[in-house]
Order: sequence, then C-alpha cells, then structure tokens
Amino acid sequence: DGGITQSPKYLFRKEGQNVTLSCEQNLNHDAMYWYRQDPGQGLRLIYYSQIVNDFQKGDIAEGYSVSREKKESFPLTVTSAQKNPTAFYLCASRKSMGQGSWNSNQPQHFGDGTRLSIL
Amino acid sequence: EDQVTQSPEALRLQEGESSSLNCSYTVSGLRGLFWYRQDPGKGPEFLFTLYSAGEEKEKERLKATLTKKESFLHITAPKPEDSATYLCAVHYTGFQKLVFGTGTRLLVSP
Repeated sequence: DGGITQSPKYLFRKEGQNVTLSCEQNLNHDAMYWYRQDPGQGLRLIYYSQIVNDFQKGDIAEGYSVSREKKESFPLTVTSAQKNPTAFYLCASRKSMGQGSWNSNQPQHFGDGTRLSIL
Repeated sequence: EDQVTQSPEALRLQEGESSSLNCSYTVSGLRGLFWYRQDPGKGPEFLFTLYSAGEEKEKERLKATLTKKESFLHITAPKPEDSATYLCAVHYTGFQKLVFGTGTRLLVSP
C-alpha cells in the first residue's frame, strides 16, 4: 500500500549526539515536510521541500538539518545544538504541481511519527 | 499574526450524543481549511478540505462546514471509535505553510 513510513518509532538521544529520523514515501509526492508536535501546541513546521535537492526552513529550523537527495526520502537530523529535542516528530508529504505549488490545495498526508526523548 | 483557534480543548460525549467542534481563524485570505483526526501515538489522518464559505463536506458521522471566520466539525450520533484528537489547519494566501490549531480531544463513552 502507498504511504509514508517513519522510523524508528522511538528514539533516544544522548547529550551532544546527533540523531537522524527517517521518512520515506511511495506516494510519488513532490513536497515533503517535517513537523514537531509538543503537548498543548499546534504542529510547528521545521523544514519543507518542494522538489529534490531543494528545501526551505520552517518556523523552528534552528538545531535541525535536512537533505532531499531522492524524491522518496526526506531525513531529518536533530543536532546537538537543539537544546530541547524531546517531542513527537511528524513527516508529511503532498501532491504538488512542482515549484511554487502552494496554490494547490492538495492535503498533506502524514506518517505515524517518531517520538524522540533525551537519555 | 494569522492564528487558528480550536474549541473546546476537550469534549466528553455519551455515545449517540451529537455535538460540534469549532475552528476559528483570522481573516487574512483563506485558501483552504483542512480537518484531520489524530489517534494517540499516530500521525494525523486527513478528513476534509474546505475552500469557500458555505461549503460542506460529509463522511460517515462527520460533517464539516465553513463560514468566513470559522469552521465546524459536526459529529452526529458519535460512537466510542470516534474518540480522537481533531485538528484544524489553515492555508493562507501567500504563506507557504499550514497553520495548525492545538486540537480538540474528543472522548465518546459507551
């Protein structure tokens, strides 16, 4: 079945360590997104990518990095510079019409998340 | 600043007791409003997209409506399996992102 796969489901980070969260989609979607979800807050956008080899910062990009080398994959690295990384991380993708495609109102579809905690 | 406010924060219903959830947004050029359902430990599941005031969408016991300042998610004769957090998100003209509300936690008791 087509969908978005996030792994691992649970991840623990030691102080000073970088960790990478995986997001793979087989929906043939061009656009992909990373969100952070904290209790009592709405989803906040970390990074997004509308096309391979291109990505933009969202509202809370500090302490995070991404790459988009393949259409299907959009990994997120939580670096040691992110001082409060404990959260539920969600990856999403969306069918788009290419660059500048925010005029399209296709919905975003989400994976089942990775819960990151500090050891 | 464009904002999305959902109310109530939590809602407890008896099975069969119909009610509505609210999503209000600041008026700043709406391009689309999205409703999602999220179960604990899972990602949001897409339910509806609404584009213009007066539009309505239905799916099983759920019906979403849109006015110029708010959207309602009506739940008719809910069942325990409807228990979840319902999220609203708005796409504003000129903004390359969705603005999410904090959600309404719905609990339906048998």
